[in-house]
Amino acid sequence: DTGVSQNPRHKITKRGQNVTFRCDPISEHNRLYWYRQTLGQGPEFLTYFQNEAQLEKSRLLSDRFSAERPKGSFSTLEIQRTEQGDSAMYLCASSPAGGETQYFGPGTRLLVL
Amino acid sequence: AQKVTQAQTEISVVEKEDVTLDCVYETRDTTYYLFWYKQPPSGELVFLIRRNSFDEQNEISGRYSWNFQKSTSSFNFTITASQVVDSAVYFCALRTNFGNEKLTFGTGTRLTIIP
Repeated sequence: DTGVSQNPRHKITKRGQNVTFRCDPISEHNRLYWYRQTLGQGPEFLTYFQNEAQLEKSRLLSDRFSAERPKGSFSTLEIQRTEQGDSAMYLCASSPAGGETQYFGPGTRLLVL
Repeated sequence: AQKVTQAQTEISVVEKEDVTLDCVYETRDTTYYLFWYKQPPSGELVFLIRRNSFDEQNEISGRYSWNFQKSTSSFNFTITASQVVDSAVYFCALRTNFGNEKLTFGTGTRLTIIP
């Protein structure tokens, strides 16, 4: 079994640009999660999908953030009009139906200049 | 509301010493799960152990052991005979039941093993 994969691993962008990250979960995991981690902090929950349905969104997910999982497989997280405060590590995790443990990918590190 | 507190910001021990990482949690739910994850410098969060609220039995898995005490809301994690490869940031996390899927993490403890 391959683990959760995320692309790109690193992204540098200028303030005001849009960025999109991709997450491929572990095969047959129907649940997918996005978290954000800033320096020196633990990950914070952003949103959660069960198959293609987005079931929960954090207040951290402002209007500039949108996540999709169109076919219930991979997911994308888009940030529009990036701000310097968006600089963080964006982590994706997946879990199987009925499973309590979330397995994380390597993350995408975003730097907004 | 859920909260996880890891009071130890940084710990350094000499290789082969035992080290215990502390975790205190808060939740009003009676059914919940507790986790420990390891984050090496590469950044990926690696799952280590999980415990549910109904099972307070403490176990040992290789060099890892944990002490779960509901009476004090603590879920401490011990590494025996530490190795340099254990150097990482360790996170304690909480997930409650009833459809709430998110993990609530502590701020982490940076563990440095000195050779």
